[in-house]
Parts: sequence; structure tokens; C-alpha cells
Amino acid sequence: KNEVEQSPQNLTAQEGEFITINCSYSVGISALHWLQQHPGGGIVSLFMLSSGKKKHGRLIATINIQEKHSSLHITASHPRDSAVYICAVRSGSEKLVFGKGTKLTVNP
Amino acid sequence: DAGVIQSPRHEVTEMGQEVTLRCKPISGHNSLFWYRQTMMRGLELLIYFNNNVPIDDSGMPEDRFSAKMPNASFSTLKIQPSEPRDSAVYFCASGQDNSPLHFGNGTRLTVT
Repeated sequence: KNEVEQSPQNLTAQEGEFITINCSYSVGISALHWLQQHPGGGIVSLFMLSSGKKKHGRLIATINIQEKHSSLHITASHPRDSAVYICAVRSGSEKLVFGKGTKLTVNP
Repeated sequence: DAGVIQSPRHEVTEMGQEVTLRCKPISGHNSLFWYRQTMMRGLELLIYFNNNVPIDDSGMPEDRFSAKMPNASFSTLKIQPSEPRDSAVYFCASGQDNSPLHFGNGTRLTVT
């Protein structure tokens, strides 16, 4: 069993829809990262959080340490949000363990 | 800042050849990571350095892989000899203490 599980694996939405991507992990962590990878490959760090909730524009990330679960929400989704979203956790050391990613496609 | 700079962007080589991937981290960052991404296994950590010292190389698949960080502004990942199963995208990332990581654009390696 992978230490970091993401769901869904693939997600297709219509422009304007509210999107939720989930991440569950099985180890104690010091931080959780949400990353975005666009076609073409570049990876961008969206959030790093260890508790509570963070918001940046239309993106919101939450984490529940007790339940070992995090969600990434996108409000008013847009085709340019189409990308692979990757959850990664850090436990103790600097080493990150990655989920397999969620491929999001937002259709106009 | 120009961000993390990787070169080359693409590398096509024949099996058995030596491959060297290069990375320039963001100035001031004290951690540097080499990751490999494949369709089957996703992103995997190969090795990371802290203050130019290798801390964890448990992800380096075989002795054919080696990485160096001779100074704070440069790192290399070398594969010798290369094999077709090494084909992947190799990412370098740098960070500072508890800050988010910054990734380079990656090197797409194809070994034929």
C-alpha cells in the first residue's frame, strides 16, 4: 500500500464547477505539499501546510492531522486549471513521499 | 531569481552511453533534491543534499547512478552506463529549511 493515496485518479469537470481532490496518508508527517504539474511537465508548489487551511486565489487546501487527510479545492474551475495535482508528505526528514497524482481536465 | 535551472531539457542517447544531468539551485537554498518521474512509478526521490552533503541516497536505483554537489550552486546526476529503463523525466528541486520546494523544468531522458 502506497503511503500516500490520492483520489480520484482522474477527474473531468465542466468550467465553473467546484473541484475537490483528496489525499490520505498513513504516516506521521511534519508537512504536506500540494503540487501542480501542467502538460509540458513543469512542477509548481501550490501549498505547504501542516495544519488548518490555506487559500490562494481560487485554490483552498485543508488538512486534518488526526484523520491523516488533506483536500485541495478549486472554486469556479477553468480550463487552465487542467493539470495533474500531486500530494506529497514530509515525515521527519526532508524526504518527500508522493502520491500518484490526480489528472484534472476542465472542459469549457 | 531565475529559479532552478536544469540542463539539458532533452537528452537522447544510446544504451551504454554516459549521461550527465545538471542543476543550478536557487541561490541561498540549502537543500537540493533529484527526483525521477515515470508513468509507472510517478515521482520518486533519488537523492537529496543538505548544505552540499548527500543526506539520503537510498532512492538511487543502482551503482550506475551517482550524484555530486561540489558547491552550493551546482549539482550533477550521472548515469553510467545508461539503459533503456532509465528513460524518464529527471527533476531537480531546491528548498530552504521549511519552505516549499522549487522545481526545475526537468530533463527528459530517452535511452534507446
